Formats: sequence, C-alpha cells, structure tokens
Amino acid sequence: GQQLNQSPQSMFIQEGEDVSMNCTSSSIFNTWLWYKQDPGEGPVLLIALYKAGELTSNGRLTAQFGITRKDSFLNISASIPSDVGIYFCAGQTNYGGSQGNLIFGKGTKLSVKP
Amino acid sequence: NAGVMQNPRHLVRRRGQEARLRCSPMKGHSHVYWYRQLPEEGLKFMVYLQKENIIDESGMPKERFSAEFPKEGPSILRIQQVVRGDSAAYFCASSPRRGYYGYTFGSGTRLTVV
Repeated sequence: GQQLNQSPQSMFIQEGEDVSMNCTSSSIFNTWLWYKQDPGEGPVLLIALYKAGELTSNGRLTAQFGITRKDSFLNISASIPSDVGIYFCAGQTNYGGSQGNLIFGKGTKLSVKP
Repeated sequence: NAGVMQNPRHLVRRRGQEARLRCSPMKGHSHVYWYRQLPEEGLKFMVYLQKENIIDESGMPKERFSAEFPKEGPSILRIQQVVRGDSAAYFCASSPRRGYYGYTFGSGTRLTVV
C-alpha cells in the first residue's frame, strides 16, 4: 500500500531554534496536511495544502506542497516550549478507488533539549 | 460549538468481550471517519461513513469489526471478541462534505484488552 516516509523520527529543540521536517512518498498526492498531536489527545490540524507548489503559513508554521506532488515540508520558526509534541504529515489521494481517506506518516517527535 | 466527541475516553475489555466505541461528529457534519493508532505509529484509516451508509471500509479488518452511522445518534465502531492486538487508540473525525480533508479529530478512545 501507499506509504509516507516522514523524517526525522525525532528531534530535540532549544527554545528559539528553527525546526524542519518533511514527508516523501512514491505516489502522487492531491492534498497534504500537517497535524500536531499532544499526549492523550487527537491530532489537531495545523496546515492544509491543496495545490502543487503551494506555500502556506500559519503563524510561526510554514508548509509547502512539493512541485512533484510527492513531498511536503513543515518549518517551525523560533520554537517555543509548547511546540513539543508529535507532528504528522498526511496525504490524500483518489488513486486505486480510494474515497479520499488520509494516509499518515509515522510522525516526528519534538522534544526539548535537556 | 462542541468538537468531535468520543466516548468512552478509556475502555478496558477482557479477551473475548465486545467493545463499542461512540463518536458524535461536529454539528452540521454528516461524514465520519474512523482511524486506529498503534503505539509509536501514525493513524491508519479504517472506515468512512455518511449517515446510514458505509462509503469506504477498505481499512477495516474483515472479521470482528463493524461500523455504523445511523440516522439518529452517534457513529459506533464495534469490535467483537476482542484480542490483545486490538489494543490501540481509536480516533474519529468528521467533515461537512465529501472531498473536504481538513478533518477535525476527536480525542480518541484508548482501548486496552487484558
């Protein structure tokens, strides 16, 4: 089945640092989304991207839909302690008869540097 | 303006028992999606329902799992004769229309099979 490769798996941040993570796929996606999940909670939508090449910001977060439609990245600028959590990319495709359900990456865990 | 409501938040079942997970979508949303999340993993699509109809159940295990979304009342995910491998977090999401992928997720039901 289709898979999303999300990297890095985990990273440590110091307050004020910029953070980057990305997702790649062997398949083309029509939509890319980025979610954040806090412990014990459901994923919360951060940014949705609908067109190849689209660059969208939400406060300190910026995400881009790759021009090949097979990748996306998320940047967090000037990180703060509440940015800690797990970030998931998700893609949507209509191929193979899919009704448009989302395929999720395995997540990037953001932790604070000790 | 309540979000997606899932209950119970935590559910413990012995092997062989039945588990019933409930999901009330956001007001005005008639499309419901169920996803399962194993520890340290991303979410995996299970089933997509519209009122009284199953639209896509390609992610549902063939046996023991069923889902419904009646005309009145919440969507129900039912797992019969649970086994240890069913232990996971089950998330429900809702959207206002087909083709809208910026889902709102509930806080999930954490099922533990003992």
